[in-house]
Amino acid sequence: EVQLVESGGGLVQPGRSLKLSCAASGFTFSNYYMAWVRQAPKKGLEWVATISTSGSRTYYPDSVKGRFTISRDNAKSSLYLQMNSLKSEDTATYYCARHDWATPYWGQGVMVTVSS
Amino acid sequence: DVVMTQTPPSLSVAIGQSVSISCKSSQSLVYSDGKTYLHWLLQSSGRSPKRLIYQVSNLDSGVPDRFSGTGSQKDFTLKISRVEAKDLGVYYCAQTTHFPNTFGAGTKLELK
Repeated sequence: EVQLVESGGGLVQPGRSLKLSCAASGFTFSNYYMAWVRQAPKKGLEWVATISTSGSRTYYPDSVKGRFTISRDNAKSSLYLQMNSLKSEDTATYYCARHDWATPYWGQGVMVTVSS
Repeated sequence: DVVMTQTPPSLSVAIGQSVSISCKSSQSLVYSDGKTYLHWLLQSSGRSPKRLIYQVSNLDSGVPDRFSGTGSQKDFTLKISRVEAKDLGVYYCAQTTHFPNTFGAGTKLELK
């Protein structure tokens, strides 16, 4: 059974850092590009980052470029999102997912709240 | 960036009715390999999104054939025939042809 389980969310002050993790199982993690997507409360979906199979290529929208870093450890079947210089507008539920949004390759989401 | 314009923002339907959702992109979504990476997802209340259709018209496994996707280049449509209660939620179109990947704003399908 495919599972993606995010962790590491919580309440953080503006300007601080947080690192999200996503533990994958039930499929050959190293074969797929992976991504993070977020959803602010009561809002739509926003792509946050994508990483290639080896981790050598990463992609970000301007809204997080320079602040967020996506990485992966294929030996551990894990995906990460290092978030620095957090802003209130980064408050959202963060999902890890396969890069093409295929079902069932979505996590349940983890909440990140940026507030003083 | 590719802007995905999805209409209508909401739909009120009766069970058994058919509906269509439009998604227009600001650029062609045809990739250099000739494929069009336009997908449709459904997010039911409180749940993670679920992809229903990939590359314009291909149904994901387990998705009933009441769902269909059509379109090309910059103009796409999701049709749901004979709506059932389990179809309710927010539908998103999404493109992965170009970076940054982008989503439509969503169409909320609710019961009349």
